[in-house]
Amino acid sequence: SQELEQSPQSLIVQEGKNLTINCTSSKTLYGLYWYKQKYGEGLIFLMMLQKGGEEKSHEKITAKLDEKKQQSSLHITASQPSHAGIYLCGADADGGATNKLIFGTGTLLAVQP
Amino acid sequence: NAGVTQTPKFQVLKTGQSMTLQCAQDMNHEYMSWYRQDPGMGLRLIHYSVGAGITDQGEVPNGYNVSRSTTEDFPLRLLSAAPSQTSVYFCASSATYSGNTIYFGEGSWLTVV
Repeated sequence: SQELEQSPQSLIVQEGKNLTINCTSSKTLYGLYWYKQKYGEGLIFLMMLQKGGEEKSHEKITAKLDEKKQQSSLHITASQPSHAGIYLCGADADGGATNKLIFGTGTLLAVQP
Repeated sequence: NAGVTQTPKFQVLKTGQSMTLQCAQDMNHEYMSWYRQDPGMGLRLIHYSVGAGITDQGEVPNGYNVSRSTTEDFPLRLLSAAPSQTSVYFCASSATYSGNTIYFGEGSWLTVV
């Protein structure tokens, strides 16, 4: 079965610094989702990537799916306290582009003012 | 926009009791699913539905029942609650079975004592 590993598990950065979170799959990724979760709240959709080499940006967050489609990275530029939370990557569990997702265990991000 | 609405947000049950977690979406989405989130294990798929009248099992279905009598609603029933079912439950929906943004509800915190 497919597994997703996120690194690092937790991250503390100073406000204004850049950071990268990685999501590595044991199998080829056909649809990779990034979500953000704040404690006690639901999951907020950030981006979905499907094509090898695809890169998407929203405000100061950029996500990329590598050419081999087994790893995705999420990059935050000039971090702000509002970026703090848990970042989750999710991918199709059946090896196809379905919405039955498996998730990584998350990366906890803290941003120090 | 309501999006995906879950009720209740918090619930405490005694072992052996039954209850239903409600999930409703107002986006006319065909695909709906339930996940549970546990520390260190990420989100795991319990059950999913690709349309009214159609449901199927996910990764961890034991102890849970679902039905989908309408497009809008996808309730999750705990038949006889056990402490192992203490978790945070998330309902999700998307327009189709694959390749579309998946929207999550805000979660239901369940404690079984």
